[in-house]
Order: sequence, then structure tokens, then C-alpha cells
Amino acid sequence: AQKITQTQPGMFVQEKEAVTLDCTYDTSDPSYGLFWYKQPSSGEMIFLIYQGSYDQQNATEGRYSLNFQKARKSANLVISASQLGDSAMYFCAMRESLYNFNKFYFGSGTKLNVKP
Amino acid sequence: DSGVTQTPKHLITATGQRVTLRCSPRSGDLSVYWYQQSLDQGLQFLIQYYNGEERAKGNILERFSAQQFPDLHSELNLSSLELGDSALYFCASGDRGGSVSDEQFFGPGTRLTVL
Repeated sequence: AQKITQTQPGMFVQEKEAVTLDCTYDTSDPSYGLFWYKQPSSGEMIFLIYQGSYDQQNATEGRYSLNFQKARKSANLVISASQLGDSAMYFCAMRESLYNFNKFYFGSGTKLNVKP
Repeated sequence: DSGVTQTPKHLITATGQRVTLRCSPRSGDLSVYWYQQSLDQGLQFLIQYYNGEERAKGNILERFSAQQFPDLHSELNLSSLELGDSALYFCASGDRGGSVSDEQFFGPGTRLTVL
């Protein structure tokens, strides 16, 4: 089974609107971390936000927030007030604390296009 | 700037050749991870080193090898190159605190083109 699943290969959003990028994960480890990265067309990987499995509140970082639903094993990224510069690939990733601690599992990514 | 450096930025070579990609982690980071990203694809984890020792192995071909040196920089060696090895190769560092929350910091990548 895939550890990280991103079911939206591509998405469009109008500038200034909010958008949700989906991510589901699979683990039996009680302690794990979930990460989102952004990859613009220039290629670099930029860390956006982190959610720990024991965190009681959803993580937020500026315009980025993480809709964490533990029972559903989903960790969707919400970008509010989209900007043209948000157009990029977005990757969801997971790290387990007990099993395979040294591995980061990445999803296949979602390509977001922000329309003016 | 993530603090992770990778050289070279671009590399063009021919099939059958051997190349070495170099990575210097952020100051204080003990781990180095190598990833391969083929065109319009996700990241494939290759291998991880922690303080000089191999800690985890992913989908790394036998033609590929890596090592981490005492100064913690790492090299990824790719040999008998094939057209399908053309990709963006990322190095990432992290694990400063040894916690599941430790994020990875990515270098700018090395774009390898095999002709």
C-alpha cells in the first residue's frame, strides 16, 4: 500500500480564493510527522508546514494551514487567498517515529495553477 | 537558501559514463538523504546516511552508490549511466534533534542529463 496518496494530479484555483490539496497517509505507527513541501518551476523544494500525530490543533503557517483528520488519516493543505506565486507542485510527506524512522515518504504531488 | 549545497548544478554526460554528485549538509545536520526526481514525477528516496553510516536504503540501483565522509559531506556515484537516469537529484539534510518532527532541508538539486 502507498504510504502517501495525493489523488489530485493537477488543480486550478482563481487568484485570491482558497484551495485545498488532498493528502491521505497509511501508517500503524502511533507517532508520526506529516510535512508539506512546495516545488516551484525553478525546482527547489521548500518546506511549508508540519503536523505531528499528537498535535491537538491543526498547524498553521501564514496562509497555509493543515486540515488534520487523524481518524481518516488525512492531512490536507489549505492555502488561503491564493497568489500567482503559489503556482507550483506540492508534495505531502510522512515520517514515522518507530518504523522506518530514517525514511521520508513522499506523495506523487499536486500541480497547482493559480489563475489571475 | 536552505543551507544545503549541491554541486554541480547541471551535468550532461553520455550513456555508459560515471558521474559523482556532491552534497554538503547544513551546519549541524548529521543526516544526508538522496532523492531522484524524474520528469514530472514525485521524489524517489534513494539512500540515507547518518553521521557517516548508511541508515536507510530505498529504490537505489546497484549501479548507484553513495557515501558520507567524516566532514559529513556526501557523494552519490552513478555509473554505467542510461538514458533513464536523467533526472533531478536532490540531497536533503536534517535530523539535528533526532525527532520525528525534524524536517528535511533540500539542496537546489543537480540536473543530470544523459545523452
